[in-house]
Amino acid sequence: TQLLEQSPQFLSIQEGENLTVYCNSSSVFSSLQWYRQEPGEGPVLLVTVVTGGEVKKLKRLTFQFGDARKDSSLHITAAQPGDTGLYLCAGEAGAQKLVFGQGTRLTINP
Amino acid sequence: NAGVMQNPRHLVRRRGQEARLRCSPMKGHSHVYWYRQLPEEGLKFMVYLQKENIIDESGMPKERFSAEFPKEGPSILRIQQVVRGDSAAYFCASSPQQGVSYGYTFGSGTRLTVV
Repeated sequence: TQLLEQSPQFLSIQEGENLTVYCNSSSVFSSLQWYRQEPGEGPVLLVTVVTGGEVKKLKRLTFQFGDARKDSSLHITAAQPGDTGLYLCAGEAGAQKLVFGQGTRLTINP
Repeated sequence: NAGVMQNPRHLVRRRGQEARLRCSPMKGHSHVYWYRQLPEEGLKFMVYLQKENIIDESGMPKERFSAEFPKEGPSILRIQQVVRGDSAAYFCASSPQQGVSYGYTFGSGTRLTVV
């Protein structure tokens, strides 16, 4: 069974600070995705990483896929209150389904 | 330009009743996936369907749960004789082709509460 562990589960920081969220597994994934979920809504895809060592940037968000394709990180620079939400990583487990981590609930305080 | 439409958004059922959750995929998408999210947890895969076919139901509980995606109309997730443990948010996603790399689009979910 493929599992993804996210850390930390909860993170509360002040506006302007930097943060990193981790997503780890003992399994290799052919691709990994990061989603953001707002209360009462479905997850929204932020990025897909496919190649080991790949780095993708989305404005102040930087996503990295580990060289061995077993882990990933999300780094946010100069966090803003609008970044508040639940961040989920998900690994491709076969062509038709995703295995999700339990999520990191991020709160950015003004 | 509607996205994935799920209804109802909220559903309250008494123990023992049936719950029917509907999902209309994005236009042009013929692949539908159902996921369940328990409070403070990530999403767990339940079932993958194409039109008139169940492709992978490895995440579905063996009893009381069923899913369909008929030739016409929305995909339906049916839960018979609901119990308190069925209370969760149920999300549907669709994609244009098989494979997560083509991109999932999730609906806003149906929040089922069993009282």
